[in-house]
Amino acid sequence: AQSVTQPDIHITVSEGASLELRCNYSYGATPYLFWYVQSPGQGLQLLLKYFSGDTLVQGIKGFEAEFKRSQSSFNLRKPSVHWSDAAEYFCAVGAPQTGANNLFFGTGTRLTVIP
Amino acid sequence: EAGVAQSPRYKIIEKRQSVAFWCNPISGHATLYWYQQILGQGPKLLIQFQNNGVVDDSQLPKDRFSAERLKGVDSTLKIQPAKLEDSAVYLCASSTRLAGISYEQYFGPGTRLTVT
Repeated sequence: AQSVTQPDIHITVSEGASLELRCNYSYGATPYLFWYVQSPGQGLQLLLKYFSGDTLVQGIKGFEAEFKRSQSSFNLRKPSVHWSDAAEYFCAVGAPQTGANNLFFGTGTRLTVIP
Repeated sequence: EAGVAQSPRYKIIEKRQSVAFWCNPISGHATLYWYQQILGQGPKLLIQFQNNGVVDDSQLPKDRFSAERLKGVDSTLKIQPAKLEDSAVYLCASSTRLAGISYEQYFGPGTRLTVT
C-alpha cells in the first residue's frame, strides 16, 4: 500500500525567500504524485502532478516539484515566496493502475510567510 | 465551469444527534469522493462512487456513516449518531475518467462539523 510522509509540520519563510517542502513516499513501483494547497476555509487545489516522463514538473503559481526515484521523494519548490502562498500544503500518492482514484495524503505542512 | 459545491459550510451538533452533508460535483464528473479531514491530518477517503455505484467504502464507519448518490449526480453523506471524534472537515471531490483512470480530483470547500 502507498503512504506519504511530510516531515515538516510547520515552516516559516520570509517573503521573497526560496521554499522547499519535503515529501517522501512509500510504494513498490513508480507512483503518481500530487501536490495540493489548502487555504484557510477552502478546499484543496491541485498545484502539480507527476505521472511519468520529465522528473521536474512545473505547476501553477510558480511552483515546481522534482521526482527523485532513488530518494523516494517529490519535494515542492518555489524560488520566491509571496505572502499569498501562506497555506497548508499536502503531498499525495496514487497508484498508476488506479490513477487519482485512490489517493493517500500526507499530514500536511503549514507554511507561514513573514514580511 | 462551476466547481464542486457543498453545503452547509459549517455545522455544530451535539453528540448522538444526526447530520447530513450535501455535495454537487462538477457537471459530467462520474466519480465522486467523500473525505474526512481531522484537524492536523491529511484527508482520508471515506467513500468513492462511480456514477451511482459504490467503488470503495472500506474506510467508511458503516455503523454510523452512510452515503448515497441516487441519480449519479448529487450525493449526501449522513452521520447518525454523531460522536465527538467525528468533528472534522468533510470534503467532497469529483473527477472525470479516461479509459478507466482518473487523473485529477477537484475539491469542494468542505463542511466543517463540530460535535459537542
